[in-house]
Amino acid sequence: ETGVTQTPRHLVMGMTNKKSLKCEQHLGHNAMYWYKQSAKKPLELMFVYNFKEQTENNSVPSRFSPECPNSSHLFLHLHTLQPEDSALYLCASSFRGDTQYFGPGTRLTVL
Amino acid sequence: LAKTTQPISMDSYEGQEVNITCSHNNIATNDYITWYQQFPSQGPRFIIQGYKTKVTNEVASLFIPADRKSSTLSLPRVSLSDTAVYYCLVGGLLDRGSTLGRLYFGRGTQLTVWP
Repeated sequence: ETGVTQTPRHLVMGMTNKKSLKCEQHLGHNAMYWYKQSAKKPLELMFVYNFKEQTENNSVPSRFSPECPNSSHLFLHLHTLQPEDSALYLCASSFRGDTQYFGPGTRLTVL
Repeated sequence: LAKTTQPISMDSYEGQEVNITCSHNNIATNDYITWYQQFPSQGPRFIIQGYKTKVTNEVASLFIPADRKSSTLSLPRVSLSDTAVYYCLVGGLLDRGSTLGRLYFGRGTQLTVWP
């Protein structure tokens, strides 16, 4: 148990759907991250929030929209995704950029 | 951006010691070196972290030379369950309002342990 939870664990959606991924950390961290991991590829950092402020957006398409209402919760809103967006989406948190603790991930399939 | 370079893959047999080396030539003064382990369809798991010289915990040792331009993760007596991808990551601490530019996992090293 790393203290970082993600829901749902699996998600199948059509290209016209709108869905949201949720991440919650119970570790008192101030930084939260979204990563994308496609099959046989390295982790790609998508977004970083530090003290609820977005500090990094790695040229992510606008169909991915993050939201960080507080330091414990992070959302990734999904809208009109493409099949190539199918991947494992990982959330992580850390204290000031130190060791990152990862959640179990959401396996997303876009049909 | 302190990118890292690791071997793409390594093979070992059960009971052997495995050493995985990571190069990080552009490491900054305030950067730490952290290693993670990842199994398929799971999030990476923290293994060990260090700044200089040697760090040891219950699962691994981390050796860092004086110039800090590389580091070596040492796994003693590996077992089949150690088959995973191992990532080397360098990064510093954040301050409020700062931007992150050093978080880079790279491709990692696929370690395969054979019986």
